[in-house]
Amino acid sequence: DTEVTQTPKHLVMGMTNKKSLKCEQHMGHRAMYWYKQKAKKPPELMFVYSYEKLSINESVPSRFSPECPNSSLLNLHLHALQPEDSALYLCASSQLDPKTQYFGPGTRLLVL
Amino acid sequence: AQSVAQPEDQVNVAEGNPLTVKCTYSVSGNPYLFWYVQYPNRGLQFLLKYITGDNLVKGSYGFEAEFNKSQTSFHLKKPSALVSDSALYFCAVSRGYSTLTFGKGTMLLVSP
Repeated sequence: DTEVTQTPKHLVMGMTNKKSLKCEQHMGHRAMYWYKQKAKKPPELMFVYSYEKLSINESVPSRFSPECPNSSLLNLHLHALQPEDSALYLCASSQLDPKTQYFGPGTRLLVL
Repeated sequence: AQSVAQPEDQVNVAEGNPLTVKCTYSVSGNPYLFWYVQYPNRGLQFLLKYITGDNLVKGSYGFEAEFNKSQTSFHLKKPSALVSDSALYFCAVSRGYSTLTFGKGTMLLVSP
């Protein structure tokens, strides 16, 4: 089973709202990732967790706050977002090496 | 630094004809190479990868790719295209513990 699940599928939020995106995998992968993807563009890496510790933050604004409560779960907390943050947010997981990343279906976020 | 080039924004092919989606890479040392496909409003699906060994890699849905070290290429191929193959295709490279670097993507359109 190579399934990564993400909830919600769609999210609309105002610029003053606080919301969270959730990602889950049960493949025993020890690396998990958040990506942001604009339409017809490649995914842009935001964060990487290895063994539940944040290992890479690609200079993401602090209005995005990741959290890895355990080895199967990854959250992305959103606060005071801007309209330009509207995008598809993808979660992925992998073993540490080699890095075949398995992606979830994404959460389509619209910030009004 | 590592990089991937997908020189074609779009590839058009008639159903039943062979298809090729091009990818060239730049990385120091031995590369790990991947192809992913993305259908509209979906996450990325893993198609195939080259890590080591046989230069011809077979993947999902009848796709294959040939690793050519001298030309630093990893072109995606399929002998007979289907309309359902129409999607956005991403080539990606990593090396060891580095993160994935994606190409810009190539839209494949298969006409009936």
